Amino acid sequence: QKEVEQDPGPLSVPEGAIVSLNCTYSNSAFQYFMWYRQYSRKGPELLMYTYSSGNKEDGRFTAQVDKSSKYISLFIRDSQPSDSATYLCAMRTSGGYNKLIFGAGTRLAVHP
Amino acid sequence: DTAVSQTPKYLVTQMGNDKSIKCEQNLGHDTMYWYKQDSKKFLKIMFSYNNKELIINETVPNRFSPKSPDKAHLNLHINSLELGDSAVYFCASSLRLYYLRDEKLSEQFFGPGTRLTVL
Repeated sequence: QKEVEQDPGPLSVPEGAIVSLNCTYSNSAFQYFMWYRQYSRKGPELLMYTYSSGNKEDGRFTAQVDKSSKYISLFIRDSQPSDSATYLCAMRTSGGYNKLIFGAGTRLAVHP
Repeated sequence: DTAVSQTPKYLVTQMGNDKSIKCEQNLGHDTMYWYKQDSKKFLKIMFSYNNKELIINETVPNRFSPKSPDKAHLNLHINSLELGDSAVYFCASSLRLYYLRDEKLSEQFFGPGTRLTVL
C-alpha cells in the first residue's frame, strides 16, 4: 500500500462546477500538505500548502486537512477550462529533509 | 529567465544504451532533486543533492548515477537502459535541504521534464 493514495480519475466537470479532489495517507507523521498542479507536458507547480490541520483559502481554491481521518482535500470553485490539469497532492513530515511524498495525481478536465 | 531547465526535452533510445540528462537552476537554491514520473503520473523522488553532496538516494538501481558539478547543476546518467526506465524525469530545486516552517521557502520548483522512451 502506498503512503499516499489519490484517485487518478479522470474527473470531467462542466465549467462553473465545484470540484473536490482528495487524498488519503497512512503516515501520521506528515505535517505539511501541498497541492501541485501539472499541466500537460509541463512540470508540477505548487498551488497551495497547509501546515497541520485546518483550512486555507486562496481565491477559488480551498485546501482542507483532516489529520484525524488522514484525509486532505482541494476544492475548486467556479471551475474554468484553464483549471484542466493533473492535481497532485504531496506531503512531508515536520522534521528532517525536504522530502515530498506524492500521490498519483488526479486528472481534471473542465469542459465549456 | 527560466528557473529550472532540463535538456533534452525528449530522448528516444535503444535498450542497452547509456544516456545523460542535464539540469540547471538559476534560482540560487542549495538543493536539487531528480524525480521519476511513470506512465500513471506517479511522481517519486530518486535523488537529492545539497551543495554538490548526495543526500537522498532512494532505492534506485545503480545504473542511475547523478552528478552535481556545482550547486546550480545536477545531471543524471543512466547506463544500460531498460524498457522500464521509460518515464518522464523531472529535476527540481529548493532553497534549502532541511524543511523550513514557511512552506513557501521550502517550495520545490520543477523543471519541464525529460520524456525518456526506451525501445
